Parts: sequence; structure tokens; C-alpha cells
Amino acid sequence: GESVGLHLPTLSVQEGDNSIINCAYSNSASDYFIWYKQESGKGPQFIIDIRSNMDKRQGQRVTVLLNKTVKHLSLQIAATQPGDSAVYFCAEARVAQKLVFGQGTRLTINP
Amino acid sequence: GAVVSQHPSWVICKSGTSVKIECRSLDFQATTMFWYRQFPKQSLMLMATSNEGSKATYEQGVEKDKFLINHASLTLSTLTVTSAHPEDSSFYICSAQTAYGYTFGSGTRLTVV
Repeated sequence: GESVGLHLPTLSVQEGDNSIINCAYSNSASDYFIWYKQESGKGPQFIIDIRSNMDKRQGQRVTVLLNKTVKHLSLQIAATQPGDSAVYFCAEARVAQKLVFGQGTRLTINP
Repeated sequence: GAVVSQHPSWVICKSGTSVKIECRSLDFQATTMFWYRQFPKQSLMLMATSNEGSKATYEQGVEKDKFLINHASLTLSTLTVTSAHPEDSSFYICSAQTAYGYTFGSGTRLTVV
């Protein structure tokens, strides 16, 4: 079936640096994309979303970029902090329909 | 904001018994609820979609007779794992569709011994 995948399963960055997490999706009909953060033993926490009529959206310290031509999604975290350590998932859906999650990237922060 | 309360947060049961997991929408009506399962170091895999007042739609490969889903009201959806076996040990998470997107429960860690 169709799925959303990630290029890197793990990412290690220095505290204060910027982090970039990538995601490739395969369903060209998807029009809604979300990034989630998951800490151990907890449910996913919403970070930021973007609809297919946009190619960039910014939040507090986070930016999501969408490239529909190559079906690629990325999450940029500015000035990475220890509290950013977690697993990050991208998810895609057609609006108001089921979410499909990617594999996940574990982000670790080096002091 | 929209909050989904999921209980229990963890449960240990004996092999062959059944376990019920509840998800309640606290401040909104959840017409649609999604149930996911997550094995260690893996992603969330959608098991089924439940709509209030109708039968759940199960994903391919998910046994509907083993994972019973009930969504009898707009604020409560339940997942019952029947005749649980050690391979059913996993992290189960519900998610409700809201006017603003999706909101998740805190998850239930099921351990079958």
C-alpha cells in the first residue's frame, strides 16, 4: 500500500544548531501534511501542518517545506534544544481522512 | 483545545483474556476516531477507523474479530483486544478527527504475559 517514508532513521545535532528532518510521501492525492513529535511512552504531539496549496509554513522555531513536484516534506527546527530530543513523524492525508505515518526519525541533541 | 482522554495508560493481562481501552473526547464531539498500534521503534500503524453509530472500517491485515471497536456515542470509542496473546503487546493510540485536524490520546501500553 502507499506509505510515507523518511530518508534518515536517526539524526544527531549539536545543541544550538538547526535540524532538518526529511520525509518522502508516495500518495500524490494527499493534500494535508503534519509533523508530529513523540516522546517515549507518549502519544504524538502536533508540531506544524501544511496544506498542499502552500509550499512553506513557519511556526515558532519550526518551518515545514513542501515540494509537491518531488513529493518531499521537511521539518526544520531552529536553534535545537535538549527538549527537542524525540522521534519525529511526518503524516499525510487527504483532508478529513485517515492519517498515514512515516517511519520516524530519532533526533538526539549533543551538548 | 480538543482533548482526547485515553485509559488505561498501561495494562498487564494474562494470555487469553480480553482488554478494553477507552478514548473519550472531553470538550468536543468525535464523529470519527482512528485507532493505531505502535510496536517498539516503529511507526504508528492504522488499525481501524470508527464512525459513531456505524461499523468500524479495518485496515488490511487487522482481524476485526480480535480487535473489537465500538463507537456508540460521539464522546466515547473503545477498542477491545480479545483473547490477547503476547504478540498483541504494543502501544495502542487513538486519534479523533476535529474541525482543526487530529488530536491524539496519550496511548495505552498493553503487555500480555
